[in-house]
Amino acid sequence: DAGITQSPRHKVTETGTPVTLRCHQTENHRYMYWYRQDPGHGLRLIHYSYGVKDTDKGEVSDGYSVSRSKTEDFLLTLESATSSQTSVYFCAISESRTGKETQYFGPGTRLLVL
Amino acid sequence: AQSVTQLGSHVSVSEGALVLLRCNYSSSVPPYLFWYVQYPNQGLQLLLKYTSAATLVKGINGFEAEFKKSETSFHLTKPSAHMSDAAEYFCAVSDSGGGADGLTFGKGTHLIIQP
Repeated sequence: DAGITQSPRHKVTETGTPVTLRCHQTENHRYMYWYRQDPGHGLRLIHYSYGVKDTDKGEVSDGYSVSRSKTEDFLLTLESATSSQTSVYFCAISESRTGKETQYFGPGTRLLVL
Repeated sequence: AQSVTQLGSHVSVSEGALVLLRCNYSSSVPPYLFWYVQYPNQGLQLLLKYTSAATLVKGINGFEAEFKKSETSFHLTKPSAHMSDAAEYFCAVSDSGGGADGLTFGKGTHLIIQP
């Protein structure tokens, strides 16, 4: 299994509060991704990173920001959480740009915004 | 733009029967295609992928998929279902043309195995 951990694994928060989710990898892969999973939508890309301090937006980036100060860590921040951000969040990594490269997924973080 | 359609949000088969999960894609460039499996409360695990080599791809746990360009399909099959195959299955496509990063996923198919 790829060495990917996510923290916290479960979180309950209130509307309007900031939330930061962490993804940590031990594989030294260059690319890291954040997805959200919602029933009936599959997984949708929020943001991705192609190196330290290099990030870009995905399909559903509104309301989210990311940071990557070290190769191994990729943080996802909800500046002011809303109920529509209740979801399961998955981090993924790949050795190079997606193309035919396999993305390896972390165990997920279940977030509930009340 | 690329997209993936998985026909059937739920598929139910009897143990020992053929499993067929359907995936059709839309892509303006030759695609790379993936099938992932998700067991309850876990992350996604790669079953198999098509990367323009052989059109019939064999994966883990006895699954295989065939890339059919004329039908824009990449259906997942297994000859004989096992109770342990009960899970959510996702088809995904990526862009071989150097476009946007990340995978585009279908909405998923929940596979139910009847004893």
